[in-house]
Amino acid sequence: QQQVKQSPQSLIVQKGGISIINCAYENTAFDYFPWYQQFPGKGPALLIAIRPDVSEKKEGRFTISFNKSAKQFSLHIMDSQPGDSATYFCAAGLGGSEKLVFGKGTKLTVNP
Amino acid sequence: GAGVSQTPSNKVTEKGKYVELRCDPISGHTALYWYRQSLGQGPEFLIYFQGTGAADDSGLPNDRFFAVRPEGSVSTLKIQRTERGDSAVYLCASSLYRGVAGELFFGEGSRLTVL
Repeated sequence: QQQVKQSPQSLIVQKGGISIINCAYENTAFDYFPWYQQFPGKGPALLIAIRPDVSEKKEGRFTISFNKSAKQFSLHIMDSQPGDSATYFCAAGLGGSEKLVFGKGTKLTVNP
Repeated sequence: GAGVSQTPSNKVTEKGKYVELRCDPISGHTALYWYRQSLGQGPEFLIYFQGTGAADDSGLPNDRFFAVRPEGSVSTLKIQRTERGDSAVYLCASSLYRGVAGELFFGEGSRLTVL
């Protein structure tokens, strides 16, 4: 119930391509879905987040698509750049709770 | 510095020893969190402080783990009788606003290795 399943585990994309990372959850009480980006040796940093009252949120090259009925959400990175190479984590949170439940992460490599 | 500061950045200890990990949050952030990140995994919630009090410690794995934040700023995570399974990166985060939707600012973590 508290798990967030993330796929793929790793992803290799050519520069300029689209990177797509998917997450699924079980607990329908989750109401906050952020994506965090982590570079080696650094802590995770918030990239973009969405609430279930909208189906899509776009910030620059990053878009979250949210499918409430399927209990799935995904991160799309348009025009992927080598500097986007990092590990990406989806997460889910409950209103009134201070915890975020993280997925296992996707290691993205963007080749030049 | 403007970010969350964690010390030490690396700690190697022997099984059974006591360890303290320190977190200095961003100035003015009242909410402070500890997460644990094992190799190849996402961060796992341990404990949350609002001010000086531990508002939610449900993620602490057992009574060997304890955390304090006596003055509402710096926090220390304490691990007694360390075990090899405690090896992980311990991440501290702070937030200006309470509530899960407040942006968490993470430190670079303290890597703990228990031999």
